[in-house]
Amino acid sequence: EPEVTQTPSHQVTQMGQEVILRCVPISNHLYFYWYRQILGQKVEFLVSFYNNEISEKSEIFDDQFSVERPDGSNFTLKIRSTKLEDSAMYFCASTKWDNTEAFFGQGTRLTVV
Amino acid sequence: AQSVTQPDIHITVSEGASLELRCNYSYGATPYLFWYVQSPGQGLQLLLKYFSGDTLVQGIKGFEAEFKRSQSSFNLRKPSVHWSDAAEYFCAVLRNQAGTALIFGKGTTLSVSS
Repeated sequence: EPEVTQTPSHQVTQMGQEVILRCVPISNHLYFYWYRQILGQKVEFLVSFYNNEISEKSEIFDDQFSVERPDGSNFTLKIRSTKLEDSAMYFCASTKWDNTEAFFGQGTRLTVV
Repeated sequence: AQSVTQPDIHITVSEGASLELRCNYSYGATPYLFWYVQSPGQGLQLLLKYFSGDTLVQGIKGFEAEFKRSQSSFNLRKPSVHWSDAAEYFCAVLRNQAGTALIFGKGTTLSVSS
């Protein structure tokens, strides 16, 4: 069964450093998403991406964040200068054209020290 | 703004007993509704979804959920819980427009006692 894959599974970075989280969505999906889950809190939407541009973003997704689909398979989330409060589990998701069912990756646990 | 409320933070159920996890949503029209499960260290797996039609929907792993418009609820049920059902359960709503995001509740942690 096709699945969304995320790398790495765990990343530790120093405050102020740039990180790039990588995702490979399901190949025939058209919408791509990043969500995050701070430990003990709910899953929060960050950004959605369609047709090579951001279609929606939350207030969390400020100028420190960016997304890119550099080739036909990868979908990346970049945090330019990490802060302690960016520590969270980051989930990538993708959906088909009808956007009715999101398939989630296993997540990347980002720890900022 | 749309919101999802899961009133129970933590529930403990005996193995073999029935389970009901509550979910209430706030949305002007009928939304698309989902239940996801997250096992420790795992991603989110879709249990079931409701878009329209029959208000009782069946999902994987023996779960079902009932949409009640009058109560703005979408409660998850299972007749007999297994120890492997211990996990975190999230209710979510999706506005029925392409490209919009899932809005999640805070989740309910299910523990199963023997």
